[in-house]
Amino acid sequence: AQSVAQPEDQVNVAEGNPLTVKCTYSVSGNPYLFWYVQYPNRGLQFLLKYITGDNLVKGSYGFEAEFNKSQTSFHLKKPSALVSDSALYFCAVRVRLGAGNNRKLIWGLGTSLAVNP
Amino acid sequence: DTEVTQTPKHLVMGMTNKKSLKCEQHMGHRAMYWYKQKAKKPPELMFVYSYEKLSINESVPSRFSPECPNSSLLNLHLHALQPEDSALYLCASSPEGTSNTGELFFGEGSRLTVL
Repeated sequence: AQSVAQPEDQVNVAEGNPLTVKCTYSVSGNPYLFWYVQYPNRGLQFLLKYITGDNLVKGSYGFEAEFNKSQTSFHLKKPSALVSDSALYFCAVRVRLGAGNNRKLIWGLGTSLAVNP
Repeated sequence: DTEVTQTPKHLVMGMTNKKSLKCEQHMGHRAMYWYKQKAKKPPELMFVYSYEKLSINESVPSRFSPECPNSSLLNLHLHALQPEDSALYLCASSPEGTSNTGELFFGEGSRLTVL
């Protein structure tokens, strides 16, 4: 079955320290991977995506993610965390629906990031 | 600021009421989505319109009825809802149709409470 896993419900990090939010996936074929962020009482915002090419993808707000095919992982990283990065982070992978031409996103359960001053 | 606009931001309704949620985007996107999200959970896909045609219905109960009047507008008609339908309803759009779902642009959501 195709799936996305975020093994940590919560990640705590001190401001100024590097942060990592983990994501692993299981899909057939080449994965199209995404990270989204959701601030309290807001909609989701796209951060970055991996389609093909360079394994290190740079996105919004200084975030980046590293695609690792052998480990089937797509971890989100930032060199220096800010208190304002505190939010809920979702990893997602695009999958094909049945035998047709439609595709949709499968979402991880989310990781709550808390950056402490 | 989001370019997907949802109204109303908050809605309280009884189980016998009929109400509608509205979504609008002016980015020329060809696919529009309704998601349901419970607190601190991932969004659950409900419906997708691709090029103004319903292309995905994730076995949503008939008390939810989507409508896409044109390429910029998406409605979700609500009737005879249950308290467990209380949630944040998110609208999203994407530049291409559902044959190539990529980056989604989300609205801020409509928070629905069913009494």
